Amino acid sequence: EDQVTQSPEALRLQEGESSSLNCSYTVSGLRGLFWYRQDPGKGPEFLFTLYSAGEEKEKERLKATLTKKESFLHITAPKPEDSATYLCAVRDNNNDMRFGAGTRLTVKP
Amino acid sequence: DGGITQSPKYLFRKEGQNVTLSCEQNLNHDAMYWYRQDPGQGLRLIYYSQIVNDFQKGDIAEGYSVSREKKESFPLTVTSAQKNPTAFYLCASSINGEAFFGQGTRLTVV
Repeated sequence: EDQVTQSPEALRLQEGESSSLNCSYTVSGLRGLFWYRQDPGKGPEFLFTLYSAGEEKEKERLKATLTKKESFLHITAPKPEDSATYLCAVRDNNNDMRFGAGTRLTVKP
Repeated sequence: DGGITQSPKYLFRKEGQNVTLSCEQNLNHDAMYWYRQDPGQGLRLIYYSQIVNDFQKGDIAEGYSVSREKKESFPLTVTSAQKNPTAFYLCASSINGEAFFGQGTRLTVV
């Protein structure tokens, strides 16, 4: 069965303090790894899709990378508005999509 | 503008009642999904539909039912058989792998 594990569960950073979120996965044939941002009481907002090891995607202060076992979401010089829960998901060869529990990020000014 | 609309935003249900959550999309996506989100847990798949008039059970389908009579609509009914229905429910649609979500419905049993 596919598994997605995100770490840490929660992360508190000072504004400007760069860090990384981890998403480890086991999947039967990776069809895509997805990162989402979710604000409290809202639906997840799509950020990135990664398809193969070595691939990288960037958007503003966020950069997502992918290896055969895990993905990282790097946050460079975060701002308070980056505070949210970040979700990782994988899609397998059966087209099933499985989500991790998320990392709750808080950025203090 | 295009997107996924869930309604209502908040819903209260008495014990023993069935309630239906609405999900409509105008993105022309074939695939639609219903997820349940509980505090500290990842999204869990309830039901999904890859095409009109066809749907499949997800990991936690017991106590729920769906229909897919139109491409744009995928309503979810939470039946009285669902013993712990209080949760945040998310509807999504998908094309080429990426799933796009509505803003959710928070269901509370009173």
